[in-house]
Amino acid sequence: KAGVTQTPRYLIKTRGQQVTLSCSPISGHRSVSWYQQTPGQGLQFLFEYFSETQRNKGNFPGRFSGRQFSNSRSEMNVSTLELGDSALYLCASSLDVGSYNSPLHFGNGTRLTVT
Amino acid sequence: AQKITQTQPGMFVQEKEAVTLDCTYDTSDQSYGLFWYKQPSSGEMIFLIYQGSYDEQNATEGRYSLNFQKARKSANLVISASQLGDSAMYFCAMIIIQGAQKLVFGQGTRLTINP
Repeated sequence: KAGVTQTPRYLIKTRGQQVTLSCSPISGHRSVSWYQQTPGQGLQFLFEYFSETQRNKGNFPGRFSGRQFSNSRSEMNVSTLELGDSALYLCASSLDVGSYNSPLHFGNGTRLTVT
Repeated sequence: AQKITQTQPGMFVQEKEAVTLDCTYDTSDQSYGLFWYKQPSSGEMIFLIYQGSYDEQNATEGRYSLNFQKARKSANLVISASQLGDSAMYFCAMIIIQGAQKLVFGQGTRLTINP
């Protein structure tokens, strides 16, 4: 069974531009969540989607948005990029929703560099 | 608020030795799940082991075991017979379910296995 697939692996963008990252979850997984990882802030929750609905969002500005499609694939978008948005963006999927013993499985991440 | 604390920024261990990575957590919830993830330099977060708050026995997965002490709110990861390939960042995380599900991560421990 294929794991979580994130594309692209690397991105270099200029301040002010926008970017879209893609995530394909493990087959059968309906919950997809996104995390930002930076050396200073560590791993921070961005948002979670289930059945095409955003169920929760972390403490990030409105420039960060996402969506989920009917096949559970998800995209996240960052508009008006800032230097501080440079980070590793990780996508995770899980099988069960609302279960404490359902691990989140992560992709390889997309490393975004904003210059 | 839920919080994960990993007090060891870095650890150096000789190959074939056992190593314990510390993790303490803070939550007022009675139901919760604790996870350990490994992150090699490639960036992918690899799920290692899970412990539920109601599990009476410590979790084990191959060379990984979790020393769960509920009263002390600690969930230490034990790696037996360490290998060079164990060199990576290790993250302790707690799953929170409040309408949606998200992971709260500790700051991580960088483990280096010396030959």
